[in-house]
Amino acid sequence: EDQVTQSPEALRLQEGESSSLNCSYTVSGLRGLFWYRQDPGKGPEFLFTLYSAGEEKEKERLKATLTKKESFLHITAPKPEDSATYLCAVQDAGDYKLSFGAGTTVTVRA
Amino acid sequence: DSGVTQTPKHLITATGQRVTLRCSPRSGDLSVYWYQQSLDQGLQFLIHYYNGEERAKGNILERFSAQQFPDLHSELNLSSLELGDSALYFCASGTGYTFGSGTRLTVV
Repeated sequence: EDQVTQSPEALRLQEGESSSLNCSYTVSGLRGLFWYRQDPGKGPEFLFTLYSAGEEKEKERLKATLTKKESFLHITAPKPEDSATYLCAVQDAGDYKLSFGAGTTVTVRA
Repeated sequence: DSGVTQTPKHLITATGQRVTLRCSPRSGDLSVYWYQQSLDQGLQFLIHYYNGEERAKGNILERFSAQQFPDLHSELNLSSLELGDSALYFCASGTGYTFGSGTRLTVV
C-alpha cells in the first residue's frame, strides 16, 4: 500500500525566513507526486505535479523537487499569505487515486 | 472558483439518518473522485467514477454509495449515519485533480 509521510507537522516562520517541507513516499511505481495548498475549511488547491526524479517546478515563492524517495517543497522568503497547510500526495502507476500525507501546517508571522 | 461545484456546503443531521452530497465536475471532465477528510485520518480516497462507471474503490464503508449520472454530476449517499462520519467530503475532477470546496457534514 502507498505510504506518504510529511514532516514537520507544523512550521512557524518569520516573514522572509526560507525553509523546506519534506514528503517521503513509498509506492510500487510512481505515476506522479502532487503538492496542494489547503486553507482552513477550503478544498485543496493544486500547486504542482512532479513525475520523475530530478524534476523541479516553481511557482512564485514555492519550488518543488523530487527524488526517488522524497520530495521537498521549498518556500523562499515567505509572506504571511503563504500560511496554510501544504499537502503531498502520490499517485501509484497502477491506478488514478491520490494517497495523501497528513500535511505540514505553515504559519508565517509578519 | 475551481470549477468543481459541491452542494450543500454545510449539512447537520442526526445519527441514523441518510444524506446525499452532490458534485458537478469541471466542464469537460469525465472523472469524479470522492474524498473524506477527518481530523484524525486526513484525506482518504473513497471512490472514483469515470464517465458513469465505477473505476476504483478505497476505504468506503458499505453504508456509503455513489453514482455518476449521464450529465456527469455525481452523488455520494451516506446512510445510517454515525457520529464518526462527521467530516469534510470533497470531490475532485479530471486528471488535474481539481478539488471542490467541500461539504462539511456534522452528525449529532
